[in-house]
Amino acid sequence: EVQLVESGGDLVKPGGSLRLSCAASGFTFSNAWMSWVRQAPGKGLEWVGRIKSKTDGGTTDYAAPVKGRFTISRDDSKNTLYLQMNSLKTEDTAVYYCRSSSSDLDYWGQGTLVTVSS
Amino acid sequence: SYELTQPSSVSVSPGQTARITCSGDVLAKKYARWFQQKPGQAPVLVIYKDSERPSGIPERFSGSSSGTTVTLTISGAQVEDEADYYCYSAADNNVIFGGGTKLTVL
Repeated sequence: EVQLVESGGDLVKPGGSLRLSCAASGFTFSNAWMSWVRQAPGKGLEWVGRIKSKTDGGTTDYAAPVKGRFTISRDDSKNTLYLQMNSLKTEDTAVYYCRSSSSDLDYWGQGTLVTVSS
Repeated sequence: SYELTQPSSVSVSPGQTARITCSGDVLAKKYARWFQQKPGQAPVLVIYKDSERPSGIPERFSGSSSGTTVTLTISGAQVEDEADYYCYSAADNNVIFGGGTKLTVL
């Protein structure tokens, strides 16, 4: 059974930093393209960014609102995905979901809440 | 940049057919996916490659595509289908979600 478990969400002040983790199991993590998607309270889904598998180059892509502030990385030896968030803004407040997708499958974690407030 | 446009809400009575559209130029050249999200839960994939249904998704869910518009159809909508539905596509290292459609079944 595929499982994605996010952790690290917290209350942080504007300008602060936070690192989220996503522990994966039930599939070959090293072969998977992984991404982060967020959802602000009462709003829709917003793609944050993704990281390709190392065999596909291991490169990252980011949405415009987070580019230069957020960094996605992976540790295939630990089956874990990370999201380093710096220079946080109040508009970054959201539930952050970890996602694994392929041509015909799409798995999501239950999300972790990040609140940016003074 | 790419955009996907959905109606904000759709309402049907139980047993009726619900249709939710999603429009965007990217859909003319890239596949779409549809996600269902119920309150307090993570999204669930209900359609991929415009019209393919993952295992475990009821047959009443179907998808179609025409030009720059894709449509999610729920034939004989059930009360448990009440949820938010999001279309999704990806192109040129950009990934886009539609704004979401709240489906009410009552």
